[in-house]
Order: sequence, then structure tokens, then C-alpha cells
Amino acid sequence: AQSVTQLDSQVPVFEEAPVELRCNYSSSVSVYLFWYVQYPNQGLQLLLKYLSGSTLVKGINGFEAEFNKSQTSFHLRKPSVHISDTAEYFCAVSDNSNYQLIWGAGTKLIIKP
Amino acid sequence: SQTIHQWPATLVQPVGSPLSLECTVEGTSNPNLYWYRQAAGRGLQLLFYSIGIGQISSEVPQNLSASRPQDRQFILSSKKLLLSDSGFYLCAWTGFPSGANVLTFGAGSRLTVL
Repeated sequence: AQSVTQLDSQVPVFEEAPVELRCNYSSSVSVYLFWYVQYPNQGLQLLLKYLSGSTLVKGINGFEAEFNKSQTSFHLRKPSVHISDTAEYFCAVSDNSNYQLIWGAGTKLIIKP
Repeated sequence: SQTIHQWPATLVQPVGSPLSLECTVEGTSNPNLYWYRQAAGRGLQLLFYSIGIGQISSEVPQNLSASRPQDRQFILSSKKLLLSDSGFYLCAWTGFPSGANVLTFGAGSRLTVL
């Protein structure tokens, strides 16, 4: 069965520094990959998705992620974070057979001034 | 454009009382609908999903039930709440035009059971 691992439960980073949030999944079959963001006391919002095509995917708010099939990873990056990026970030994976999403446990991004 | 509404936003209920959380989607038809729960310090747990009116799939056996009386309405219920039902409940949908894989979430309903 598919599983998703977000190794870091929290990532502290200084404002304007770069950040990488890691996501690995278990199955190497064809998958769809997603990153969602949840601001405090709000629902989740889609940041970006990989369905097919270019392995480098650009999303909203300056985030991007790279699909690496050989390493079964989909790490999220931003070159310079802002205080407004403080949120919890969730990685999710589905295969194209049933469209059900498997979720990672989430990573809290903590921006230090 | 499509919108999803969830209410109430916040709810404090005593143990043993009933529950009804409502979710409606506008601007699309025949969406797939989902109820998720986030317990404190835990990730997202899929509770129920529905591919059509009256069609409900339960992912986790528990004290809760779901119903879909109309195409774009999804209701989460309980007859008697437990302390462990506390959490942040999120409704979501997939479908046209976002696509079958893209979940769009409501703002959530925070339930505290005392």
C-alpha cells in the first residue's frame, strides 16, 4: 500500500532564508503528487501538483517542487521565505486508479524573524 | 466559480449530545465529497466520502455517520458525542473543473466535546 513520509514535523528557518520540506512516498508506480498548505485555523489550500510532464512544478506563493521518480521524492522548496509562510504543509499522493489521497503527517514551517 | 461552505465554524458540545455539521458546494455538479478530521497533533484522517446522492463510503468505523441528501450537500452526524470526537473537521470536494485529483477544502469546523 502507498505511504507518504514527511520526515520533519517542524522546520524552523530565518526569514528570507531558503527552505526545503521533504516528502517521500513508497510506491514507484504512476502517481499524482500534491502539496497543500494549512494556515492556522483554516482549511487546506492546494499549493501545487504534479500530474505529468515537467518534473519541476511551480505553485503559488513562490513555492516549487521537484518530482524525482528514482528517489520517490517530491520535496517542496522556496528560495526566500516570508513570515506569512508560517503554516503547516502537507504532502499527498494518489495513484491514478482510485484517486484517493494518501497524506503525510504534515510539516510545520516556523519562520524566525 | 466554485465555493464550498461549512458550518458551524466552531462548536462546543457536551458528551452524549448529538452533532450535525453541514457542507455545501456551489458552482459544480456531481462532485465527490469528503469529510476529514484533524485531531490535535495528528494528520488528516479520511472519515467518509461520497460519489453521489445517498452513496457513502466509511473509511473508519466510529461514532460518526454521514449523509448526502442532495447532490452538493454533505452532512456529518453523531447521535452521541464522545470526548474523542473533538477535532477539526474538514469538508472537501473533487470534480469539474478542478479535476478528479484536486481536493478543494472548506474552512473547517472546530468541535470541542466537553
